[in-house]
Amino acid sequence: NAGVTQTPKFRILKIGQSMTLQCTQDMNHNYMYWYRQDPGMGLKLIYYSVGAGITDKGEVPNGYNVSRSTTEDFPLRLELAAPSQTSVYFCASSATGLANYGYTFGSGTRLTVV
Amino acid sequence: KQEVTQIPAALSVPEGENLVLNCSFTDSAIYNLQWFRQDPGKGLTSLLLIQSSQREQTSGRLNASLDKSSGRSTLYIAASQPGDSATYLCAVHDYKLSFGAGTTVTVRA
Repeated sequence: NAGVTQTPKFRILKIGQSMTLQCTQDMNHNYMYWYRQDPGMGLKLIYYSVGAGITDKGEVPNGYNVSRSTTEDFPLRLELAAPSQTSVYFCASSATGLANYGYTFGSGTRLTVV
Repeated sequence: KQEVTQIPAALSVPEGENLVLNCSFTDSAIYNLQWFRQDPGKGLTSLLLIQSSQREQTSGRLNASLDKSSGRSTLYIAASQPGDSATYLCAVHDYKLSFGAGTTVTVRA
C-alpha cells in the first residue's frame, strides 16, 4: 500500500519557470491537501480539496493553482516561479474532514527557485 | 484564526530521561489533535491522534494528553533513546489542520 506519493523529490527552477508537483493517493481518500514548510516554521496550507472537482484556497494560495479531476490525483501548479516559493512541499490526504481520521503525508518535494 | 504554539523550540536530554513536549492552541473548537514526527529531510510520520472527546492516547513509550478547555496537549516520551531524536510537530484539526513550528529533540547517548 503506497499511501501518498509525491513526485519529484527534488527540483531546481529558474525564476519565471513553471512546473507541476504531482500527488497521488491510493487510499480512496476524499480530502487532499497541499502544504509548504519553510525552515523553522510550521506547515502552512496552500490549497485543499474535499473531493473530485472541488478545491478551495488555504492560508497561502498566491502563486499556485490546483485541480482535482480524480479522487486519486491532486497536482499543484506553479505558474511563474519566484524565490519566495523556495520551500518543501507536502501533499496529504484524509478519509473525511471529521474527528475519527488522521492525515497521511507524502515524503515531500524540495523546491529551490534561483 | 487558530494559532498553535509549541514550547520549547528545541530540547537536548541525556539518554534515558523522560521527554515532555508542550503544545497550545487558541481555539478549543477542534475535531482532533495529531502529533507527528519529522526526521531531517523527510516527511511526516503520524505518532498519535487524539479525538476531541478523548483525554489521552498511548502508543508504546508515547503518551499524549489533551485538555481542550485550556487549549493544551502534552506529548510524553518515556525513557528516551538516541533514535527519538527528531522534530515533533503538533497539529490541531478544526476545518483544516493547523501546525505548530515544532520542537526539535536531541537525545544524547
